Amino acid sequence: EIVLTQSPGTLSLSPGERATLSCRASQSVSSSYLAWYRQKPGQAPRLLIYGASSRATGISDRFSGSGSGTDFTLTISRLEPEDFAVYYCQQYGSSRWTFGQGTKVEIK
Amino acid sequence: EVQLVESGGGLVKPGGSLRLSCAASGFSFSNYNMNWVRQAPGKGLEWVSSISTGSNYIYYADSVKGRFTISRDNAKNSLYLQMNSLRAEDTSVYYCARAPGYCSSGSCFYFMDVWGKGTTVTVSS
Repeated sequence: EIVLTQSPGTLSLSPGERATLSCRASQSVSSSYLAWYRQKPGQAPRLLIYGASSRATGISDRFSGSGSGTDFTLTISRLEPEDFAVYYCQQYGSSRWTFGQGTKVEIK
Repeated sequence: EVQLVESGGGLVKPGGSLRLSCAASGFSFSNYNMNWVRQAPGKGLEWVSSISTGSNYIYYADSVKGRFTISRDNAKNSLYLQMNSLRAEDTSVYYCARAPGYCSSGSCFYFMDVWGKGTTVTVSS
């Protein structure tokens, strides 16, 4: 089973700053199987990025994804108030889905 | 509006059973693979089970295999999760999620693009 490890666990930043979130896989992952989600408190997750770098419908261009193999990155160029939330990476493989443990982006 | 609405959660004793439902609307339900994903209190997301469009392919996480059964009724636009032999560690918010699994230009993409608001399952004596 592929394990996804996200870092850092918590990122303390101010509105307007740039956020860089990492997702590392225990073995190589197909880029087309890698996605990112944002989850605000008390809400369901929302798809941000699929295929490692494609923005989902309606997602701001402040969000960008990159990476390949075992290392993937989600970048938020300028943090807005609604971006302070928990972010999860997800991969699909061998008919199974796994999520990273999440990175919390909090207001500094 | 594309929507998924879960129901059926509640408080159940260890060893008990519960059946969750997920009603889909606003899209052609029969054309999409579907997933159940859960989230224990204060924890991260955990995939539970997947079912293909025609119920031909069904998969479970090891943590629920043999206890949970996923099913769907395309005529009723509904997804189900039958949960038996429930344990305290099954306590979670359970989400149903659409999993398009579409292919384009030689690549296939797997992600969950529509989620319900979730239903809470509490297993406690």
